[in-house]
Amino acid sequence: AQTVTQSQPEMSVQEAETVTLSCTYDTSESDYYLFWYKQPPSRQMILVIRQEAYKQQNATENRFSVNFQKAAKSFSLKISDSQLGDAAMYFCAYRSDQYSGGGADGLTFGKGTHLIIQP
Amino acid sequence: GAVVSQHPSRVICKSGTSVKIECRSLDFQATTMFWYRQFPKQSLMLMATSNEGSKATYEQGVEKDKFLINHASLTLSTLTVTSAHPEDSSFYICSAPFGRTTDTQYFGPGTRLTVL
Repeated sequence: AQTVTQSQPEMSVQEAETVTLSCTYDTSESDYYLFWYKQPPSRQMILVIRQEAYKQQNATENRFSVNFQKAAKSFSLKISDSQLGDAAMYFCAYRSDQYSGGGADGLTFGKGTHLIIQP
Repeated sequence: GAVVSQHPSRVICKSGTSVKIECRSLDFQATTMFWYRQFPKQSLMLMATSNEGSKATYEQGVEKDKFLINHASLTLSTLTVTSAHPEDSSFYICSAPFGRTTDTQYFGPGTRLTVL
């Protein structure tokens, strides 16, 4: 079974600064997907960024980027120019790609990191 | 695209009654949907995979007879909590995969269940 570990229960950053959230995972599979989801107080899960394990290039989405280290099984999220709206719980998630056609596996989530933005 | 809805958003019921939660993919079809449970200040735990036209697949430790799942169409999955008890009180969230390779899941807004 796969496990996802987020070792930072809470992080705080000044507005406009950069913050990095850490995530490590354990798997014996070679093909998989990794995700960062954001859950604001509304509790709606919002996709932040995704990474295919077969891609060496780190994914980026505007102010959000990841540092994917497959050998180390590490998948950290960097948020640049932090904004007040970034305040939320951030969950790292793993999805196997063992099945052809995709969509066959649910997500395994880490425990989350509560990100606080200081104005 | 990729909008998932859930109904109801909140429900309060008496112990021993059954509650049905609906999950709909509004602008796409989903042969597979997923149900998660989230306790306060905790992470999401996968409960089961809902498969259109076939039986649901439950995660270890999830009671099949208590959490009945029906995937009646390509846009609708329902979760029925049978004979609910206070310990079933939780936040239930569904998701559906969407995209070229259907590898990314999009989540509904969740349903808060309170059992008195």
